[in-house]
Amino acid sequence: DVQMTQSPSTLSASVGDTVTISCRASQNINRWLAWYQQKPGRAPKLIIYEASTLESGVPSSFSGSGSGTEFTLTINSLQPDDFGTYYCQQYDGFSPYSFGQGTKVEIK
Amino acid sequence: QVQLVQSGAEVKKPGASVKVSCQASGYTFSNYYMHWVRQAPGQGPEWMGMINTGGGRTYYAQKFQDRVTLTRDTSTSTVVMELRSLKSDDSATYYCARSVTMRNGFDFWGQGTMVIVSS
Repeated sequence: DVQMTQSPSTLSASVGDTVTISCRASQNINRWLAWYQQKPGRAPKLIIYEASTLESGVPSSFSGSGSGTEFTLTINSLQPDDFGTYYCQQYDGFSPYSFGQGTKVEIK
Repeated sequence: QVQLVQSGAEVKKPGASVKVSCQASGYTFSNYYMHWVRQAPGQGPEWMGMINTGGGRTYYAQKFQDRVTLTRDTSTSTVVMELRSLKSDDSATYYCARSVTMRNGFDFWGQGTMVIVSS
């Protein structure tokens, strides 16, 4: 099975900062990667799929990059509503879907 | 608008079974896969399985292969997840979520159903 490893586990940032979250897959998943944002008590929300495609309605301050085993989520000009926990997920179709352990973005 | 509405919270004893339903509306039910994902407190999401709502074929994570069953009722646009032989570490919030193909992110999620397993 494909293991997903995110870093850092926690990130403290201020409004207006640019933050970067990394996700590494244990084997090549091409670009079959999604990013989700989750707020406490809520379901995850899809923000990026196929590594870099922004889901409809998601601000352009979010961007994704990478392929193969290394992926990055970048949030430019962090806004108050951007705080929460972010998860990467692989869906290469040959392995069970799997998620990273999460990166909590906190207010500094 | 797309909605996935799940059944309410459950409290079960170890060894029992639980059924959680997910009723879809606002889109063509049989055009999407439905997944089940669970999340224990403070943990990341864990994929359990999925069902092709058109043909009914199911795919399960190996970890749950022997204990979970997904079924769908196209007349009511509902998917039901049954988990058997419950253990305390099955206590989690269970979500249904849809994807348009097997190789897509999960673009809509249910509100979640908390299942507590306790003696």
